Amino acid sequence: EAGVTQFPSHSVIEKGQTVTLRCDPISGHDNLYWYRRVMGKEIKFLLHFVKESKQDESGMPNNRFLAERTGGTYSTLKVQPAELEDSGVYFCASSSGWTQETQYFGPGTRLLVL
Amino acid sequence: SQQGEEDPQALSIQEGENATMNCSYKTSINNLQWYRQNSGRGLVHLILIRSNEREKHSGRLRVTLDTSKKSSSLLITASRAADTASYFCATDRMDTGRRALTFGSGTRLQVQP
Repeated sequence: EAGVTQFPSHSVIEKGQTVTLRCDPISGHDNLYWYRRVMGKEIKFLLHFVKESKQDESGMPNNRFLAERTGGTYSTLKVQPAELEDSGVYFCASSSGWTQETQYFGPGTRLLVL
Repeated sequence: SQQGEEDPQALSIQEGENATMNCSYKTSINNLQWYRQNSGRGLVHLILIRSNEREKHSGRLRVTLDTSKKSSSLLITASRAADTASYFCATDRMDTGRRALTFGSGTRLQVQP
């Protein structure tokens, strides 16, 4: 069974540009999560999808971040326009059902905003 | 201090020794999970312990949970150089009903061959 995959693995962009990160969860997992770790800080929750619906987006930092999960399969996280403080590692995780708490993480996307 | 704090921040031991890492948290939880992150890689799930469990084993890993003290420990026995990594505890909060995990800052474990 394939794990959670993320694309791209690395992205270097200039301030003001737009970047779109993609996450493919484990097949059949209804729950999809986005987290990020900015330099020197803890891993922080961004949002949680259940299928295509946003269950919890309390961690989204501001309206420059837009997450979608059309069709309830893969998800994208768009940052527009990117700022320097957005640099960090963006992780995606998935879990199978409401009673299955284990979240399986992808390898992350390393974003550097110059 | 923050939910899910690990100590020590860094630990260096010799191969074959045991490594113990601790985690403290602040709120009531449904469960506590331990993850490992090798340098530059993703998070690997190690073990999940529920709030009504006190101890759990998985191979060379032993996790304990003390909900009265709001703390957990991860013991790696007979450590190997390949165990070198950062270890994080993560909790999901019972009071909010949300599934968001709250991570600590991690313990960096270095196992010397």
